[in-house]
Amino acid sequence: DIQMTQSSSSFSVSLGDRVTITCKASEDIYNRLAWYQQKPGNAPRLLISGATSLETGVPSRFSGSGSGKDYTLSITSLQTEDVATYYCQQYWSTPPTFGAGTKLELK
Amino acid sequence: QVQLKQSGPGLVQPSQSLSITCTVSGFSLTSYGVHWVRQSPGKGLEWLGVIWSGGSTDYNAAFISRLSISKDNSKSQVFFKMNSLQANDTAIYYCARMGVRHAMDYWGQGTSVTVSS
Repeated sequence: DIQMTQSSSSFSVSLGDRVTITCKASEDIYNRLAWYQQKPGNAPRLLISGATSLETGVPSRFSGSGSGKDYTLSITSLQTEDVATYYCQQYWSTPPTFGAGTKLELK
Repeated sequence: QVQLKQSGPGLVQPSQSLSITCTVSGFSLTSYGVHWVRQSPGKGLEWLGVIWSGGSTDYNAAFISRLSISKDNSKSQVFFKMNSLQANDTAIYYCARMGVRHAMDYWGQGTSVTVSS
């Protein structure tokens, strides 16, 4: 199975910050990478697929980048509603696997 | 609009089976696959299996001996069954649609399952 590593399990942020969350796969996943946002009590919400493609309705302050094994989710100018846990997921090979999540907390 | 609604029990006795129905609307099961994922504090998000639009299935090897996924296209329902549940199967179970890029683009509300006597 491909292992997905999110380097930070949590970090403190301030409103208006630019936030970067990283995800590293144990092998090349050829941009088959999705990012999800999850708030307490809710199901995950798909933000980005194909490493860089923003889903309909997702604010443009979210963006994805990367290739090969290394991928990044960026949030420019963090808003209150962005405080959540973010997961990466590869779907290059079966089984699809998720990172452990990165929780954003307000300072 | 696309919706996935789950129904199933919240409490399962140890060694018993879990059955969850995922009823979809806004799309056809003949055009989209449906994944099953669970989430527990100890193991995070864990993929369990998928039923493809054509009806074939793939399962996580860790669960293949006790997991079954099927569907009824005419009723827009996907059926999840896991046997021999133990305490460490306590989790929130989700169905999720496989989008055109194969990411999980719409999710059910989740079924919180506790395995306990």
